[in-house]
Amino acid sequence: EDKVVQSPLSLVVHEGDTVTLNCSYEVTNFRSLLWYKQEKKAPTFLFMLTSSGIEKKSGRLSSILDKKELFSILNITATQTGDSAVYLCAVAGGYQKVTFGIGTKLQVIP
Amino acid sequence: GAVVSQHPSWVICKSGTSVKIECRSLDFQATTMFWYRQFPKQSLMLMATSNEGSKATYEQGVEKDKFLINHASLTLSTLTVTSAHPEDSSFYICSARVGTGVTQPQHFGDGTRLSIL
Repeated sequence: EDKVVQSPLSLVVHEGDTVTLNCSYEVTNFRSLLWYKQEKKAPTFLFMLTSSGIEKKSGRLSSILDKKELFSILNITATQTGDSAVYLCAVAGGYQKVTFGIGTKLQVIP
Repeated sequence: GAVVSQHPSWVICKSGTSVKIECRSLDFQATTMFWYRQFPKQSLMLMATSNEGSKATYEQGVEKDKFLINHASLTLSTLTVTSAHPEDSSFYICSARVGTGVTQPQHFGDGTRLSIL
């Protein structure tokens, strides 16, 4: 059974801090790893990673994948209160199936 | 680009009624759409994969007759919760994939909060 484990489950930081969110996985026929941000409604897509060692970057957010060690990290620098959300990691495996982790709840306080 | 619209946003109805939720891809064609369910403080659980023009593929433990899925066009999939009961109350979210490759990301609708009294 495919499995995605995220850590920490919850995190509270001050504005301006840098955070690192972790995602480890076990999946059959790995295709890609995805990061989503979920606020009050449905998740919004952040990154898709398919190759090891290539950093994807979007503003203050960046992510990298290690396919040998089966994990990915999502970094957020200079955090803002608007970054407060649940960050979901998902892995696409065989037969089009995408498995989601339980998420990391990030709260950024002023 | 890649906007997915889900309707309605919130439904409250009595036990025993059927509820239909629509999922539309607004600016792209979606051969494949997905239906998820999310309980409070839990992750998204895939219920079924909806393929245009063919029967949906349901995950283990999801009742096909309870959760009817129709994907009649490349831009619309519907989920009907038949004879809904309080235990069906949940947050239902659809997603659609641009293109057919499994490496394409899924884009999500805003979800439907279903409350059965």
